[in-house]
Amino acid sequence: AQSVTQPDIHITVSEGASLELRCNYSYGATPYLFWYVQSPGQGLQLLLKYFSGDTLVQGIKGFEAEFKRSQSSFNLRKPSVHWSDAAEYFCAVGASTGANNLFFGTGTRLTVIP
Amino acid sequence: ETGVTQSPTHLIKTRGQQVTLRCSSQSGHNTVSWYQQALGQGPQFIFQYYREEENGRGNFPPRFSGLQFPNYSSELNVNALELDDSALYLCASSLAAGRGETQYFGPGTRLLVL
Repeated sequence: AQSVTQPDIHITVSEGASLELRCNYSYGATPYLFWYVQSPGQGLQLLLKYFSGDTLVQGIKGFEAEFKRSQSSFNLRKPSVHWSDAAEYFCAVGASTGANNLFFGTGTRLTVIP
Repeated sequence: ETGVTQSPTHLIKTRGQQVTLRCSSQSGHNTVSWYQQALGQGPQFIFQYYREEENGRGNFPPRFSGLQFPNYSSELNVNALELDDSALYLCASSLAAGRGETQYFGPGTRLLVL
């Protein structure tokens, strides 16, 4: 069965510092992987997605993620964090059969300090 | 292009009541998925509708039911509300129901059951 683990519940970084949010997945074949961001009281906005091909994926707002099959990971990175990046970040894996639903991790809350 | 919209934004119900939540999918999208996001958790898949038919269901009891209309908008109905049904309910639409199709989320409906 598919599942996603986000080991870090809460991360605090200084504005301008680099960021890496961890995501590990469980999946039997080549996964479809996604990162979404959720601002307080808002829905989810897609940052980036991985289906196949190049393992380094570029997304919106300067984010990127790297798919590492050997580590079952899909970590999200940003070289320089802005105060507006403070939000909740969710990693998700697409279902392998049936509906194309998503299995989400529990999220990582990012706090940015000035 | 109009994104995914949901109504109402908030509502309060009492235990045992019934509730209907509404979702308008993004233009051109024929697939709608519903998710429940409890406080501090990632979204959990409730069910998906593709061209007016249920296309898959998560681990939710039958008192959670839905509809999709010819214009691809959708409703989520919950009967016999329980306190644990208090959550943010998210609707997502996609171009089709194939694996890996990107899901675009609405802002959600926050339901409080007293």
